[in-house]
Parts: sequence; C-alpha cells; structure tokens
Amino acid sequence: KAGVTQTPRYLIKTRGQQVTLSCSPISGHRSVSWYQQTPGQGLQFLFEYFSETQRNKGNFPGRFSGRQFSNSRSEMNVSTLELGDSALYLCASSLDTETGYGYTFGSGTRLTVV
Amino acid sequence: GESVGLHLPTLSVQEGDNSIINCAYSNSASDYFIWYKQESGKGPQFIIDIRSNMDKRQGQRVTVLLNKTVKHLSLQIAATQPGDSAVYFCAENMKTSYDKVIFGPGTSLSVIP
Repeated sequence: KAGVTQTPRYLIKTRGQQVTLSCSPISGHRSVSWYQQTPGQGLQFLFEYFSETQRNKGNFPGRFSGRQFSNSRSEMNVSTLELGDSALYLCASSLDTETGYGYTFGSGTRLTVV
Repeated sequence: GESVGLHLPTLSVQEGDNSIINCAYSNSASDYFIWYKQESGKGPQFIIDIRSNMDKRQGQRVTVLLNKTVKHLSLQIAATQPGDSAVYFCAENMKTSYDKVIFGPGTSLSVIP
C-alpha cells in the first residue's frame, strides 16, 4: 500500500517567485492537510481539504493557498516567496475525517528560499 | 501560525532503560491525542493515540497516559533502543475542528548505546 507522496522532495527558489507543491494521499483517503515545519516555530497547521473543499485554515497570510482535485490529490501554492518561507512542508492524509484517525504524513518537501 | 514553544527539549537515555516524554496540551476541549515520531529527513510517523474518555493506552513497548485534570500527556517507551532516537511530538485534535491537529514543540530523544 503506497504512502503519502510529496513532490518534489527538495526545491530552491528565489525571493519573490512562487512555488507549487504536490501531495498524493493514500488511496481512499479524502482528507489532506498541510503543515509547515521550521526549527523555530515547530509544526504549524496551514489548511485542510476534504472533497475539494477547504474546511480548515491556519493563521497564515493569503500568499499561502491550496486546492484539492477530484482524485484527492492536493497542491499548495506560495506566491511572492519570502526568506522566512524556507521550511519543510508536510502533507498528511486521513481516512476517517470525523474522528481524526489514520493521519499519515508524507516525507515532505524541503523548500529553500534564497 | 498556531504552535507552542520555540526550544526543543532533549532527553538522553541509556539503551535498555525506559523513557518518559512529557507534553502539556493547550485546549481542554481537545478529545483526541496522538504521539508521533519523526526521524531525520522523514515526516512524522504515528506511534499511538488516545481518546479523552481513556487515561491509559498501551501499544507495543509504548504506553500513553492522559491526565485531563492538568492537561498533561506522557509517552513511555520501554527498553529504549537506538532506533528510538528521534523527535517525538504530541498532538491534540478537536473533533469540532475536523482534522485541524495542533502539535506540541517536540522532544528530542537520544539513546546512548
């Protein structure tokens, strides 16, 4: 059974550019959540999607956006990149969205903004 | 963003000893708690979970204890092994917030062979 797949694994971008990260959830999982992980702030919730609808959003600026497709795959986009956006971006999918069970993470995309 | 703390607590234990990792959670309305293990270069991996209607749950070599009175969670690892070296996160989830899971700052566990 394939796990959560995130692409690319590593990315280097220049300040001011935009970036799109991809997440393929475990087959059958309909909920996809995104997190930003930095040494200083830890794991911070970005947003959660279920059946192509954003149901929850963390306290991030509007430069951070996402979407989910009908096959449950999800993308997140960061526009006008800032140095502080350098982080590990993690995606997690889950099956039972009502109870939070089965929350499985991918290995993340390491974004470096220079 | 929503997060707790800036500094990563560290715990060093001798191989074979038991480890206890503690966590204070933030919201008394949280009803589901999870412990994750994150190894270098990988995403967090589920270890064990517990619902708010329980105060103890055991897995293989791991036990989670929940004290709702003081909003405290602990993870006990029996007979700690070098492969247990990682960062451990506790997380809380509120059913009314669907899959909005809030993570603690993490604890770095180092196992001394």
